[in-house]
Amino acid sequence: DQQVKQNSPSLSVQEGRISILNCDYTNSMFDYFLWYKKYPAEGPTFLISISSIKDKNEDGRFTVFLNKSAKHLSLHIVPSQPGDSAVYFCAASAGDTGNQFYFGTGTSLTVIP
Amino acid sequence: DAGVIQSPRHEVTEMGQEVTLRCKPISGHDYLFWYRQTMMRGLELLIYFNNNVPIDDSGMPEDRFSAKMPNASFSTLKIQPSEPRDSAVYFCASSLARRITTDTQYFGPGTRLTVL
Repeated sequence: DQQVKQNSPSLSVQEGRISILNCDYTNSMFDYFLWYKKYPAEGPTFLISISSIKDKNEDGRFTVFLNKSAKHLSLHIVPSQPGDSAVYFCAASAGDTGNQFYFGTGTSLTVIP
Repeated sequence: DAGVIQSPRHEVTEMGQEVTLRCKPISGHDYLFWYRQTMMRGLELLIYFNNNVPIDDSGMPEDRFSAKMPNASFSTLKIQPSEPRDSAVYFCASSLARRITTDTQYFGPGTRLTVL
C-alpha cells in the first residue's frame, strides 16, 4: 500500500503565479521529507527537504510546508517559471527506525508561458 | 564527477528473454539503490547495497529479479525471464549515506525497459 500519496497526477500554472504541489503520508513514524524534481529522460534530482522538527523550509523560490497533524506536506513555487515544468516526487523516511525513502507517484507540473 | 551512469538507456526485449541493467555509482558513495518507476506505484525501492553487500532486497518483486554488486563501481540488475509487466523505468541511485534516511540520493538517468 502506498505510504506516500500524491493525488494530483498533473498541474498547470501560468508563469509568474504560485504552484502548489501536495503530498500526503500515512506512516506517523515518518520524520524526514524530501522533494525531488525530474525532467524527461533524466533521473530525479534533489530539490528541498524538511525535518519534522520544522513546519517550513525555504530555499529561494521553493518552500516546503509540513503539517504533521494532518500528515500533509506541500511544495510552493513562487513565482513559477517555464523551467519548473517537470515531474515532482515527494519522499518520506522514518529517521532512526527506517531504512529507506518511500516515494509518491509524482505530480507533473506544467508552467505555461 | 560524471554522476551515476546507467546502461543501456533503452532496452526493448521479448517476453522470456534475460535482461541485464547496469549501473556505475558516484565514486566514494557507499550506498547503491535500485528503483523501479511505474505510473501506478511511482518510485519503488527494489534493493540496496552498502559497501557492495546487499542489505535489503524486500522490494524485489519475484525470484526472476536478482542484483549484484561485485565491486564498489559496478552493479547489475537482472531479470530472467522477463515479462511484459516488468516494463518500467529502472533507476540506480547512490549516496554517501552517513545516515541513510536523510542523505540525499543521486539518481542516474534511468533505463527504460520495454518487454513485448
